[in-house]
Amino acid sequence: NAGVTQTPKFQVLKTGQSMTLQCAQDMNHEYMSWYRQDPGMGLRLIHYSVGAGITDQGEVPNGYNVSRSTTEDFPLRLLSAAPSQTSVYFCASRPRADANTGELFFGEGSRLTVL
Amino acid sequence: AQSVTQLDSQVPVFEEAPVELRCNYSSSVSVYLFWYVQYPNQGLQLLLKYLSGSTLVESINGFEAEFNKSQTSFHLRKPSVHISDTAEYFCAVSGGTGTASKLTFGTGTRLQVTL
Repeated sequence: NAGVTQTPKFQVLKTGQSMTLQCAQDMNHEYMSWYRQDPGMGLRLIHYSVGAGITDQGEVPNGYNVSRSTTEDFPLRLLSAAPSQTSVYFCASRPRADANTGELFFGEGSRLTVL
Repeated sequence: AQSVTQLDSQVPVFEEAPVELRCNYSSSVSVYLFWYVQYPNQGLQLLLKYLSGSTLVESINGFEAEFNKSQTSFHLRKPSVHISDTAEYFCAVSGGTGTASKLTFGTGTRLQVTL
């Protein structure tokens, strides 16, 4: 019962470096998304995908890229990290893209620090 | 557009005391409402949800929330809290239809239960 798996759990970057946060789910979910969690701001949607080959921007997409080549994987790329991207990142999925009543299943998070 | 307001960032309470975590929302369409819980160093888990029907919904661990359309509220209550309820609680709203629907989170309320 792996569910939603995120790697790495912790990462420290220097300003300007690039990296990819990995997210994989084994539940055959259509919908996948990335959120960032910052103190006092709750969770904000970065990007989401409603199926393989389809992605769209959320509330705070600047500085991040995503792709969805398979149903299972939804990596989040930081091309040039900035201190403002220091945050905890969560990947979440749900079975159907069009079911806004459906429960989101979350990974355990990836804590990123940009120096 | 939709939004969620959680009025209290922290709620300290003694064990076995009652608690209420407040949540108000705004939306231009019919909404679905959720409470998620985040235990330390974990991802979010669904606690309960309101989709339709009875305005009072319950979780398996004794929490309940009541949908009040006139007051646009979805407050979370528990008559007697336990130490293990210490966590951060997020209210969320989902509105709209189809793939355009997204989950919007509040800023969270940290419930601290002490002896």
